[in-house]
Amino acid sequence: DTAVSQTPKYLVTQMGNDKSIKCEQNLGHDTMYWYKQDSKKFLKIMFSYNNKELIINETVPNRFSPKSPDKAHLNLHINSLELGDSAVYFCASSQDATGESVETQYFGPGTRLLVL
Amino acid sequence: GQNIDQPTEMTATEGAIVQINCTYQTSGFNGLFWYQQHAGEAPTFLSYNVLDGLEEKGRFSSFLSRSKGYSYLLLKELQMKDSASYLCAVMDSNYQLIWGAGTKLIIKP
Repeated sequence: DTAVSQTPKYLVTQMGNDKSIKCEQNLGHDTMYWYKQDSKKFLKIMFSYNNKELIINETVPNRFSPKSPDKAHLNLHINSLELGDSAVYFCASSQDATGESVETQYFGPGTRLLVL
Repeated sequence: GQNIDQPTEMTATEGAIVQINCTYQTSGFNGLFWYQQHAGEAPTFLSYNVLDGLEEKGRFSSFLSRSKGYSYLLLKELQMKDSASYLCAVMDSNYQLIWGAGTKLIIKP
């Protein structure tokens, strides 16, 4: 059983389009995250959700919007895609329920987004 | 600012030992993580250190010196499957993970 899953694995689209990436975790974790990994391999936190509340919102463009229908899902919606959005997007989850404790994060397989 | 430094790439021979270093400067410290990431795959957890000293887990060990802002990951009896990127990440005072760019480890037969 996959602990953290993402769909799609690959996403190729045109500039200006709107797209969504889905993430689900079956670990019973309380916090989920979205990361962007660029060509230089830096992992940059974009968002995290704790009990359906946004607890981290780094300085990402407002074209990116996380949506969490329930504790097990955190989807990422991107409007008006730009060339610079091309990257690998990873979803992750951790047990942490408070945002004030150290918990290991478990990652999904990643979504490779290419904007043409 | 917050900064995590690790070598970009290292090469080692199958069966040998390799040490991957990580230095950090962060606002506060709540522990240091090492993750392994194979090409095209997700990062997977390897180790966590919050106290000074060496933590051993099979062929992999991780060391931490908080006073020096320094950690290393030691891989023994290298196998071809150990070829991967190794990511160092520090949890800061806000419980946010700050990530290094990773060290690409190439294992040669």
